[in-house]
Amino acid sequence: GNSVTQMEGPVTLSEEAFLTINCTYTATGYPSLFWYVQYPGEGLQLLLKATKADDKGSNKGFEATYRKETTSFHLEKGSVQVSDSAVYFCALSTNNDMRFGAGTRLTVKP
Amino acid sequence: GAVVSQHPSRVICKSGTSVKIECRSLDFQATTMFWYRQFPKKSLMLMATSNEGSKATYEQGVEKDKFLINHASLTLSTLTVTSAHPEDSSFYICSARYGGTAHYEQYFGPGTRLTVT
Repeated sequence: GNSVTQMEGPVTLSEEAFLTINCTYTATGYPSLFWYVQYPGEGLQLLLKATKADDKGSNKGFEATYRKETTSFHLEKGSVQVSDSAVYFCALSTNNDMRFGAGTRLTVKP
Repeated sequence: GAVVSQHPSRVICKSGTSVKIECRSLDFQATTMFWYRQFPKKSLMLMATSNEGSKATYEQGVEKDKFLINHASLTLSTLTVTSAHPEDSSFYICSARYGGTAHYEQYFGPGTRLTVT
């Protein structure tokens, strides 16, 4: 079946550090890939997405590229801020299925 | 952006009683709604997928007679936890998608914290 494997963390970084959160997937067919973010006390919000191979999703300085050859969708940000502290979930979607990774808690210290 | 609401946000019930949680898409019509369960410091576990007017499709290991899902309209889905027990205590999250394919993102509700005493 479909599945997502995500670096679990927690990850603690200093402000302006470079962030990478690894995500790999297993799926039949051609899934769409997503990164969702959950800020403390809030629901999940879409951060970015990519719907086909080699697509790059980007938002708020975060980027992820859909790599079919390595079945990966790693999340990166060049310079994190304290306000980026949250839990990040990698997810894949097919027409009637959605799978989430375990989530990675990121804490950014000033 | 699209908004999904859930009601109630918190509920405490006694063991053996039933609890209904509502999920509404406020400004779009949701062809598909999803129900998840999130355990503390854990990821979301998909419980079931429902399309408007159809029976829900439950994930393996999820009891359909215990977790009743009704998707009566394009803007409302309900999850009823029947004969609740303390092990059903959890954070339940719904999401809604207005497109029929995986390319469309899901919009998530804020979740419902269920505590069964």
